[in-house]
Amino acid sequence: DAGITQSPRHKVTETGTPVTLRCHQTENHRYMYWYRQDPGHGLRLIHYSYGVKDTDKGEVSDGYSVSRSKTEDFLLTLESATSSQTSVYFCAISAGGRTDTQYFGPGTRLTVL
Amino acid sequence: QKEVEQNSGPLSVPEGAIASLNCTYSDRGSQSFFWYRQYSGKSPELIMSIYSNGDKEDGRFTAQLNKASQYVSLLIRDSQPSDSATYLCAVNDSSYKLIFGSGTRLLVRP
Repeated sequence: DAGITQSPRHKVTETGTPVTLRCHQTENHRYMYWYRQDPGHGLRLIHYSYGVKDTDKGEVSDGYSVSRSKTEDFLLTLESATSSQTSVYFCAISAGGRTDTQYFGPGTRLTVL
Repeated sequence: QKEVEQNSGPLSVPEGAIASLNCTYSDRGSQSFFWYRQYSGKSPELIMSIYSNGDKEDGRFTAQLNKASQYVSLLIRDSQPSDSATYLCAVNDSSYKLIFGSGTRLLVRP
């Protein structure tokens, strides 16, 4: 298994509160990704990073921000959580290069009440 | 809008049969194609990757790619109840991103 951990694994929070999810990797991979997964929508890319301090938006980035100050850590922040952000969040990593293969972390189930 | 399309299923097959899962994609420039398996409540797990036209076999799994028809499939031979899961097709976009289909749920009946 790829060395990817996510924390917390489960979180319940209230509307309007800030939330930060953490992804940590031990593979020294260059690329890191945050996805959300909702019934009927599959995996949708929120933000991704192609290096330390280098990030870009995905298809569903509104309401989310990210930071990557070290190769191994990629943080996803919901500045003011809304009920529509209730979802399962997956982090993924990729070494890049020819194969683009992504490996996924165990996920974080977030509930916004 | 680049898209990856899969039939949501469920695809139901008896134990021991061949399960055939299909995926079409819209971007002719795509070069990398992946199949992931996802058990309920778990994260996606890579099963197969394929980059060239034709077939690629790995144990009971065979991935098939036809770039002219923009079609990729996954065959599972001798299906087992433990193969019951959702199978996600993913296709590369530019900038090292993947586009995922919404998945096909496979049910293998004992």
